[in-house]
Amino acid sequence: DTAVSQTPKYLVTQMGNDKSIKCEQNLGHDTMYWYKQDSKKFLKIMFSYNNKELIINETVPNRFSPKSPDKAHLNLHINSLELGDSAVYFCASSHRDRGRRETQYFGPGTRLLVL
Amino acid sequence: QQQVKQSPQSLIVQKGGISIINCAYENTAFDYFPWYQQFPGKGPALLIAIRPDVSEKKEGRFTISFNKSAKQFSLHIMDSQPGDSATYFCAATPNTNAGKSTFGDGTTLTVKP
Repeated sequence: DTAVSQTPKYLVTQMGNDKSIKCEQNLGHDTMYWYKQDSKKFLKIMFSYNNKELIINETVPNRFSPKSPDKAHLNLHINSLELGDSAVYFCASSHRDRGRRETQYFGPGTRLLVL
Repeated sequence: QQQVKQSPQSLIVQKGGISIINCAYENTAFDYFPWYQQFPGKGPALLIAIRPDVSEKKEGRFTISFNKSAKQFSLHIMDSQPGDSATYFCAATPNTNAGKSTFGDGTTLTVKP
């Protein structure tokens, strides 16, 4: 029943490793996002995809690479993990109503800890 | 340049009190203003939203007040309960197909019993 799901929920890894986070939405939405939430709770947008195409790529190190194999999935791969990458990563999908007003639906988050 | 400024950063309210969180925006292209509620360990979820053609929207104990000329909007939580303790984000969305939502920095609300 989960609308936006992410795996894994927790990820503890060593500095320098490569890891991936997966996201799936079953809402039929065209747009998906990745956000990073730091310890101060700020929500920072990282990437946005619309119909599998990258439309937003904020200032994010190129160690972060999103991939959208289809409209329902948006995965995030992180190379050479650094201590500063420790955060909660949220996937979201969104739809717009007839007035083009956007509502976002967030996943439960992936808590990444880099040691 | 921060397009949506949210205050306060944190708020402590007694049970039964009124919680007020304020947001201000600059981009006049914004035309939809949702509030998201995030409980610890969960993702943000839509709580209530308003369009700029109305000055107020109420859903239960939650009310959004909107001042278009001042480019400000606020969330009021009446009769605040400990279960309302969460982080609240205001957001603003432009009326374009590719326009993304811009979020405020969040307000952590603690309601003391």
